[in-house]
Amino acid sequence: RKEVEQDPGPFNVPEGATVAFNCTYSNSASQSFFWYRQDCRKEPKLLMSVYSSGNEDGRFTAQLNRASQYISLLIRDSKLSDSATYLCVANGGYSTLTFGKGTMLLVSP
Amino acid sequence: SAVISQKPSRDICQRGTSLTIQCQVDSQVTMMFWYRQQPGQSLTLIATANQGSEATYESGFVIDKFPISRPNLTFSTLTVSNMSPEDSSIYLCSVDGGREGLNEQFFGPGTRLTVL
Repeated sequence: RKEVEQDPGPFNVPEGATVAFNCTYSNSASQSFFWYRQDCRKEPKLLMSVYSSGNEDGRFTAQLNRASQYISLLIRDSKLSDSATYLCVANGGYSTLTFGKGTMLLVSP
Repeated sequence: SAVISQKPSRDICQRGTSLTIQCQVDSQVTMMFWYRQQPGQSLTLIATANQGSEATYESGFVIDKFPISRPNLTFSTLTVSNMSPEDSSIYLCSVDGGREGLNEQFFGPGTRLTVL
């Protein structure tokens, strides 16, 4: 069974903090990796696609370590609006995606 | 990214009945997907729906329980048949993002189903 594992949290951080999430994936054939954000009672929204060894988009940095089969997401200068569940995703078979259960982030004033 | 809508947004159904969920996209897409998200869980892929061919179901899901239609490149339906309370879940459709080789998917707003 192909799995994506994440720490469910919650991670409670103050505004302005830096927070990092890790996830591991079991399918060594996975080629595409993503972080999605899901707000309560809403659909998942694509936050970042993770390319080769990693990439940065503003306050968000994603890293990929293929040898260890883990992906990380770093959020700098946390905002209240960053509070959400962050889903780690790896592609499985042809065009299909395998989702982790998500890590909950709570940013407080 | 494509704009995706789903109908109904939510429903409460009786055991033994069936519900058909519609997914509409504002542009033509090759691949559409149907997921289930049970309370407190992550998304589980039910099936992949390509226009002009039978849907491809994931392990644990069968066509008799979750028949899918894909009549054109902008529309798909998922039917949840002979429902039981265990089918209470959020059902989401998604579409391929269209960027070659990236496998990005974009989701509809979901259908929240409660079975009594």
